[in-house]
Amino acid sequence: AQSVTQLGSHVSVSEGALVLLRCNYSSSVPPYLFWYVQYPNQGLQLLLKYTTGATLVKGINGFEAEFKKSETSFHLTKPSAHMSDAAEYFCAVKGAGNNRKLIWGLGTSLAVNP
Amino acid sequence: SQTIHQWPATLVQPVGSPLSLECTVEGTSNPNLYWYRQAAGRGLQLLFYSVGIGQISSEVPQNLSASRPQDRQFILSSKKLLLSDSGFYLCAWSASGDLNIQYFGAGTRLSVL
Repeated sequence: AQSVTQLGSHVSVSEGALVLLRCNYSSSVPPYLFWYVQYPNQGLQLLLKYTTGATLVKGINGFEAEFKKSETSFHLTKPSAHMSDAAEYFCAVKGAGNNRKLIWGLGTSLAVNP
Repeated sequence: SQTIHQWPATLVQPVGSPLSLECTVEGTSNPNLYWYRQAAGRGLQLLFYSVGIGQISSEVPQNLSASRPQDRQFILSSKKLLLSDSGFYLCAWSASGDLNIQYFGAGTRLSVL
């Protein structure tokens, strides 16, 4: 069965510091992987996705993630945190085959301190 | 371009009252549609999804039901709300096809008192 694990339900960084949010997955098929962001009391917004090809994918707001098959990881990074990055971040993997679902991690809440 | 509308934004309902939340999508045809719930401080729980009119898959047994009366309309209902139904409800859509990128509405904050 497919699953997604996000290490660390809460991450706190200083403004200007590196952001690293961890995501590991298990999948029986080549995965499609996603990162979404949710600001307070809003819906989720797609940050970036990996399907095939280049393993380093760039998204909106300066975020990027690297697909590492050997580590079954898809960690999200941003070189310099901004106060506006404070939000909940979700990692997800597409269900196998014709499955129309996404398998979601539990989310990581990012706090950015001045 | 495609847009998704979800209403109301907030709702306060007494225990035992009925519920109807509506979601509509514009600018696409035959979308896959989803209802999720977020309880406070917890992740996303998929409640229902639909791949076509009248086709509803239920993910968890519960007090809620869903219907898809039109191609781009998805309704979440309850006959009698429970306290445990409180939460943040999100509607989402994805294009029919392989990639399954999901696009979310703004959500409805439901408080059952």
